[in-house]
Amino acid sequence: AQTVTQSQPEMSVQEAETVTLSCTYDTSESDYYLFWYKQPPSRQMILVIRQEAYKQQNATENRFSVNFQKAAKSFSLKISDSQLGDAAMYFCAYRRGNTDKLIFGTGTRLQVFP
Amino acid sequence: DVKVTQSSRYLVKRTGEKVFLECVQDMDHENMFWYRQDPGLGLRLIYFSYDVKMKEKGDIPEGYSVSREKKERFSLILESASTNQTSMYLCASSPGGITLTGELFFGEGSRLTVL
Repeated sequence: AQTVTQSQPEMSVQEAETVTLSCTYDTSESDYYLFWYKQPPSRQMILVIRQEAYKQQNATENRFSVNFQKAAKSFSLKISDSQLGDAAMYFCAYRRGNTDKLIFGTGTRLQVFP
Repeated sequence: DVKVTQSSRYLVKRTGEKVFLECVQDMDHENMFWYRQDPGLGLRLIYFSYDVKMKEKGDIPEGYSVSREKKERFSLILESASTNQTSMYLCASSPGGITLTGELFFGEGSRLTVL
């Protein structure tokens, strides 16, 4: 069975600095997708970034980028120029190639200090 | 914008009560999901529906059932609520079909307390 592990329950960063959230996963599949979702306090969870396993190039979305290491089964999220609005729970998620059922990690709570 | 609406943000129920959590999406999505979110455990899939009247068990279906009579509505039912079902419940939807993007659209959540 696939598993997703986030080993950092909490992280903090100063505004304008860079922070990296870690995620590892375990799978025997070759076709899969990885995601980072953001859950702001008392607000809906939203998709931050998506990575297809067959793509070697790391995904980027504005200030958000990933470091996808397929052999190591590692998928970290880098947030550059952190802003107060980045404070949230961040969930790493895994999806097999042919289904929208996601397996989520336990989450990392990110605090951003002014 | 896709909107997923969960009928109740906060509920307090007593042990043994039957509880209905309702979820409605307005984007004609085929897939709908119920997840349970607990601190330190992340999100765990309770049930999944890929079409009207079609459902599939997730990882923790025990103690829950679901109903999807119309495409836009997916209900989670706790037949006899227990204290260990105190949790945050998240509904989500996705387009499905050939549009397998993996992007789920979430509601705001329903925080259930069972006394």
